[in-house]
Amino acid sequence: ETGVTQTPRHLVMGMTNKKSLKCEQHLGHNAMYWYKQSAKKPLELMFVYSLEERVENNSVPSRFSPECPNSSHLFLHLHTLQPEDSALYLCASSQLDGLAGDSNTGELFFGEGSRLTVL
Amino acid sequence: GQNIDQPTEMTATEGAIVQINCTYQTSGFNGLFWYQQHAGEAPTFLSYNVLDGLEEKGRFSSFLSRSKGYSYLLLKELQMKDSASYLCAVLDSNYQLIWGAGTKLIIKP
Repeated sequence: ETGVTQTPRHLVMGMTNKKSLKCEQHLGHNAMYWYKQSAKKPLELMFVYSLEERVENNSVPSRFSPECPNSSHLFLHLHTLQPEDSALYLCASSQLDGLAGDSNTGELFFGEGSRLTVL
Repeated sequence: GQNIDQPTEMTATEGAIVQINCTYQTSGFNGLFWYQQHAGEAPTFLSYNVLDGLEEKGRFSSFLSRSKGYSYLLLKELQMKDSASYLCAVLDSNYQLIWGAGTKLIIKP
């Protein structure tokens, strides 16, 4: 139990569906992240929220839309995805020191991921 | 570009010792992390090195040489539960985490 909970653990969706991934952290951290993990590839950082403001968006297609309503919750809204978007989506949190937007120096706490399959 | 290299897969025997290497080329350096990820589970933090040398933590040790852009994770007295992927990640000058693709470690009886 890492203190970061993701739902659903598995999701199968068609290319025209709209779905959302949810992440909740119980660690009191001030930063949350979405990562994409594909087989035999490095983790890809998608979005970073620091103090509920987005500070990173690594050229992610607009069919992925993040939402951070408060410091404990993070969503990833999915719309008209492609089969190549099938992957494990990991949420993580950390405690950033300093001002909002400063980069992380602390360890990341990951959720167990949402395994997404796009048909 | 920035790059982290680690072997794709390694096999070792229960009770033995295994060393997983990681070499990196990044824009600056603010520390190196090792994470463990069991199949179907979350990556979990193992170690952080920012100064040269060896950090020991029980059966696991992590070594860093900044001049060589090199680190290794040493696992002693291997147990079947150590079968997992081991991820190396470097914090660059912008405090961005650069990840390796991970090393899948298979432990055989």
